[in-house]
Amino acid sequence: DTAVSQTPKYLVTQMGNDKSIKCEQNLGHDTMYWYKQDSKKFLKIMFSYNNKELIINETVPNRFSPKSPDKAHLNLHINSLELGDSAVYFCASTGQVDTQYFGPGTRLTVL
Amino acid sequence: SQQGEEDPQALSIQEGENATMNCSYKTSINNLQWYRQNSGRGLVHLILIRSNEREKHSGRLRVTLDTSKKSSSLLITASRAADTASYFCATGGSNYKLTFGKGTLLTVNP
Repeated sequence: DTAVSQTPKYLVTQMGNDKSIKCEQNLGHDTMYWYKQDSKKFLKIMFSYNNKELIINETVPNRFSPKSPDKAHLNLHINSLELGDSAVYFCASTGQVDTQYFGPGTRLTVL
Repeated sequence: SQQGEEDPQALSIQEGENATMNCSYKTSINNLQWYRQNSGRGLVHLILIRSNEREKHSGRLRVTLDTSKKSSSLLITASRAADTASYFCATGGSNYKLTFGKGTLLTVNP
């Protein structure tokens, strides 16, 4: 059984479109994250939710909006996509011991 | 801002050799973790060392932490071709936030 799953795995879209990426974890964790990994493999945290409450909100354009309907899900909605948004987006979750479990990633390509 | 910096950026060795990767960081930490990322995949947690620990082992992995020098090293012994991956250090504070370095790309040649 997949611990942290993301859909879709690949997303190709035009500039200006709005898209969403979904994430689900079945580990019973309270805290979930979104990261962005650029073409140089640099992994940067974007958001974190703990029990549906936003606890980390890094300097991210407000075109990016996370939504957590329950503690097992954390979705990422992106408005007005730009070329620079092309990257791999990873969802992760953590329990009590700081170790993070990552999803397989969503490769977003903006044309 | 980025916390961890791995060194070297890339490392190529022969199967059976040992691989050592280093990580330096800037601020105080609660723990330091190492993750592996295979090409096209998500990150996988390898080992966590707390700020009051100096050394930790897990199978063929050995991690050291020197808080006075703000540095850590990851040693992989008897490397295998399957160890080929990018390795990231990540520093953890008190707020569930991990800050990742840029990674070391390890290539193990058969």
